[in-house]
Amino acid sequence: GNSVTQMEGPVTLSEEAFLTINCTYTATGYPSLFWYVQYPGEGLQLLLKATKADDKGSNKGFEATYRKETTSFHLEKGSVQVSDSAVYFCALTGGTYKYIFGTGTRLKVLA
Amino acid sequence: EAGVTQFPSHSVIEKGQTVTLRCDPISGHDNLYWYRRVMGKEIKFLLHFVKESKQDESGMPNNRFLAERTGGTYSTLKVQPAELEDSGVYFCASSQNLPGSTDTQYFGPGTRLTVL
Repeated sequence: GNSVTQMEGPVTLSEEAFLTINCTYTATGYPSLFWYVQYPGEGLQLLLKATKADDKGSNKGFEATYRKETTSFHLEKGSVQVSDSAVYFCALTGGTYKYIFGTGTRLKVLA
Repeated sequence: EAGVTQFPSHSVIEKGQTVTLRCDPISGHDNLYWYRRVMGKEIKFLLHFVKESKQDESGMPNNRFLAERTGGTYSTLKVQPAELEDSGVYFCASSQNLPGSTDTQYFGPGTRLTVL
């Protein structure tokens, strides 16, 4: 079945450091891929998405590229801020409305 | 535009008691979903409503869980009787009227349920 694997956290970085959170998936067909973020005390917010191979999703300085050859959708940001501290979830939909989520990666950015 | 809201934000109950969670979707969204995250694991799908009809409840853990969406507006998720393993964060999400694999779901803040 479909599944998402993302790197274990927590990830602790200093402000202005480069961020990568790895996400790989298993799916039949051509899934759509998403990154959601949950800030403390808030709900899940869509951060970015990509619907086909080689698409790049971007938002708020974050980017992720849909790589079908490596079945990956790694999240990157060139310079993180303290306000980026949150839990990040990678997810896919494999041709249905159900989201399949990864376990989440907690990011802590230190000033 | 108001987002998805959930009530309560936290609930602490004892094993064997009943709890009812409520979700108010974004106005005009026909699709409503329930998900659950248990003990830092992945967020798992529970069920999907289209208006007042259950489209898919394949993710519901067992018959102690009952979801309703009367009138196709807000939804409730009742757990009766609650067990320890039901503890977790319950998320509700809604999406617009054209469900599909790329349809973006908008999530609420979640209800944290603790069963003692």
